[in-house]
Amino acid sequence: AQRVTQPEKLLSVFKGAPVELKCNYSYSGSPELFWYVQYSRQRLQLLLRHISRESIKGFTADLNKGETSFHLKKPFAQEEDSAMYYCALRGNYKLTFGKGTLLTVNP
Amino acid sequence: DVKVTQSSRYLVKRTGEKVFLECVQDMDHENMFWYRQDPGLGLRLIYFSYDVKMKEKGDIPEGYSVSREKKERFSLILESASTNQTSMYLCASSLTSGSTYEQYFGPGTRLTVT
Repeated sequence: AQRVTQPEKLLSVFKGAPVELKCNYSYSGSPELFWYVQYSRQRLQLLLRHISRESIKGFTADLNKGETSFHLKKPFAQEEDSAMYYCALRGNYKLTFGKGTLLTVNP
Repeated sequence: DVKVTQSSRYLVKRTGEKVFLECVQDMDHENMFWYRQDPGLGLRLIYFSYDVKMKEKGDIPEGYSVSREKKERFSLILESASTNQTSMYLCASSLTSGSTYEQYFGPGTRLTVT
């Protein structure tokens, strides 16, 4: 069975501080992982995928198969980063989502 | 630009009513999904469909059914609405193949059952 764990429901940081949103997964095959973001009053959208090894809006995430983790990081948080973040794992046709972390960046 | 639309943003129904939530996508995607989103529980998959007239149960199918008669349209049906089905419902679609998998989400329908 595939499972995604986001241990923090809430995360609060100050503007300019580093931020790390944790994600751990359980999957027997080769994992494909994603971060989705939902800003206030907007629809859920893809932030980044691990296979692209990209940086989006200053965020990066590295897949660590040894630790079965896919943590999302940004060196300097901005107020506009305040949102709900979901980690997701792809299996067959579907995605399994974590419970989400609400990030608040304070001025 | 992919567009996933949902028939209503807000819906209020009474206990026992039959409720239809409609979702339409315009990008010829094979796969369509219905989730419910609850605070502290994240997104939970109710049903998904990988082709017309094909459907599979997700993690929480009880109390729901679905219909996919056309490729672009996926309906979620609550046969007899109950208060514990008060939630935000999200529809999504995706392609099956391709190296850049992505699910595209609709704006959501906030359903209140009284």
